[in-house]
Amino acid sequence: DAGVIQSPRHEVTEMGQEVTLRCKPISGHNSLFWYRQTMMRGLELLIYFNNNVPIDDSGMPEDRFSAKMPNASFSTLKIQPSEPRDSAVYFCASTSMRPGNEQFFGPGTRLTVL
Amino acid sequence: AQSVTQPDIHITVSEGASLELRCNYSYGATPYLFWYVQSPGQGLQLLLKYFSGDTLVQGIKGFEAEFKRSQSSFNLRKPSVHWSDAAEYFCAVGATRDDKIIFGKGTRLHILP
Repeated sequence: DAGVIQSPRHEVTEMGQEVTLRCKPISGHNSLFWYRQTMMRGLELLIYFNNNVPIDDSGMPEDRFSAKMPNASFSTLKIQPSEPRDSAVYFCASTSMRPGNEQFFGPGTRLTVL
Repeated sequence: AQSVTQPDIHITVSEGASLELRCNYSYGATPYLFWYVQSPGQGLQLLLKYFSGDTLVQGIKGFEAEFKRSQSSFNLRKPSVHWSDAAEYFCAVGATRDDKIIFGKGTRLHILP
């Protein structure tokens, strides 16, 4: 199994530009999570999906952030317009339905907004 | 709602010394508990987990953790650390009703040669 795949691994963009981060969960997993990690705030849960449906988006910081999961094998996190304070590492994780199963993390996307 | 506290932001130990990283949780029922490790520039990797049974859990890389319900703790231990153990360690707690887990702020482990 290839594990959780994220792309791009690094993204540098200018303030005001649209940024799209991509995630492919592990095959057979039906829950997907987007996290943001910064030095100041640590690891924050932004949103999670179960069976492609958003369950909890209370961690999404602003309307500039949006996430979609059009099918079981793909999800996107979009920031528009991007701001310097969005600079962080964004992780995607997936797990199977059973409570207590661990989440498997992707390698992350390091986003830098200039 | 569940919560996790890792009281130590940084810990420094000498190579070969023993290690204990503290974790306290808050949850009304029996929780699912996890320890993850994050090496620099990497994603999080599961070290071990507890959800029932024996309260002493063995994990990868020689780590173990003990669930103590009376103390609401799930401390991570290793008898002898190696330089490659330098990383950030996250304790996490999951609820029985959904897949969401809550992470602590992390403890960064430094190893002295």
